[in-house]
Parts: sequence; structure tokens; C-alpha cells
Amino acid sequence: AQTVTQSQPEMSVQEAETVTLSCTYDTSENNYYLFWYKQPPSRQMILVIRQEAYKQQNATENRFSVNFQKAAKSFSLKISDSQLGDTAMYFCAFMKLTYGNKLVFGAGTILRVKS
Amino acid sequence: GAVVSQHPSRVICKSGTSVKIECRSLDFQATTMFWYRQFPKQSLMLMATSNEGSKATYEQGVEKDKFLINHASLTLSTLTVTSAHPEDSSFYICSARRTSNQPQHFGDGTRLSIL
Repeated sequence: AQTVTQSQPEMSVQEAETVTLSCTYDTSENNYYLFWYKQPPSRQMILVIRQEAYKQQNATENRFSVNFQKAAKSFSLKISDSQLGDTAMYFCAFMKLTYGNKLVFGAGTILRVKS
Repeated sequence: GAVVSQHPSRVICKSGTSVKIECRSLDFQATTMFWYRQFPKQSLMLMATSNEGSKATYEQGVEKDKFLINHASLTLSTLTVTSAHPEDSSFYICSARRTSNQPQHFGDGTRLSIL
């Protein structure tokens, strides 16, 4: 079974600064996807970024980038130039590509951006 | 982008009544839909996976007779909480995806309160 661990229950960052959220996972699969989802106070789940395990290049989406270390099974999210609207719960998620592929979520990290 | 509509967003009802929540994929055909439950400040807990035209697959510990799931078409899945009680009060979220290697797109969730 796959597990996803987010070791930081809460983080805070000053507006315009950079913050990194940690995520590690455990799997015996070789091909899989990793995701970061954002859940703001409105509770809508928003896909922030996706990484395919077979790609060595780290995914980036504007101010959001990941540091994917496959051997270490680590998938951290870096948010640059933090904005107040980035305040949310962030979930790291794993999905295998074989039968029964469903999202396995971490416990989440609450990020507060301060002005 | 892919849009998933969930209705209603909020429902308050008396103990013993049944409540139906709808999840629709508005601009794509969803081969698979998922139903999650989320408690405050916690992660999403998968309740069941629903494939169009077949019976839902429930996660361990989820009562299939309490949480009825129907996926009658490629754009609609419903969750019915039968004979709801206060302990069923929670935030329920659905998601949908086109194919097995595509990301899940989430509805805005339903806040269910049983008095």
C-alpha cells in the first residue's frame, strides 16, 4: 500500500517570500503520478501541479515548482513570491498507474501567508 | 479547464431523513467518479469509487447501505446518505476524471448538517 507523509502540519510565510512544503511517500510502484492540491478556506480543491514519475525534469507552474527526488521518494512544493491568496491547506497526493489507481492523500499542511 | 459541479453546496436536515448529493462533470465524460468525506482540518478520506454503469467500490469501513452511490451516466454520479444521523454530518466532496491517467477534478463540496 502507498502512503504519503506531510510532516509539517502548519507553516507560515511572509508575503513575497518563498516557502517550501515537504512531502515524502512510500511505494513499490515504478510508474506513478504525484500531485499538489490546494484547498483554500472556501474548501474547493484546486490542482496546483502534477509530476509524472518517469520525467526527470521538475514540473513548474508559474510561481509553483516541485523538487522531485525519485530515489529519495520526496516531492516538495516551492512557492515563490508568496501571495495572500496562497493561504490554504495544501495536500500532497500519489496515484499509481496500475489497476485501482486512486489518489492517496497526505494529511495536509496549513499554509498562512502574512502581510 | 475541466469543471465538476456538485449540488447542493449546503444542506441541513432532520435526523432520519435521506439526503441526495449530485456530482456532474459539465464539460467532459467521466469514466470514474470518486466520493470523499472530510472532517475539519483533516485530509480527504475516500469513501468509494464509482465507474459508470457498474456498482461502486467502497473503501473498508464505509457502509454501502448507508451511503448509496449511483453512476448512471458518464456525467452524473449521486451519493445518497440514507437515514442520516448527526454523526453523518461532514463535508462531502466528489471528483471526476476522464481516464485512468488523468488528474481528478473536484466539485466544490457539500456541507451536510444533520440536526
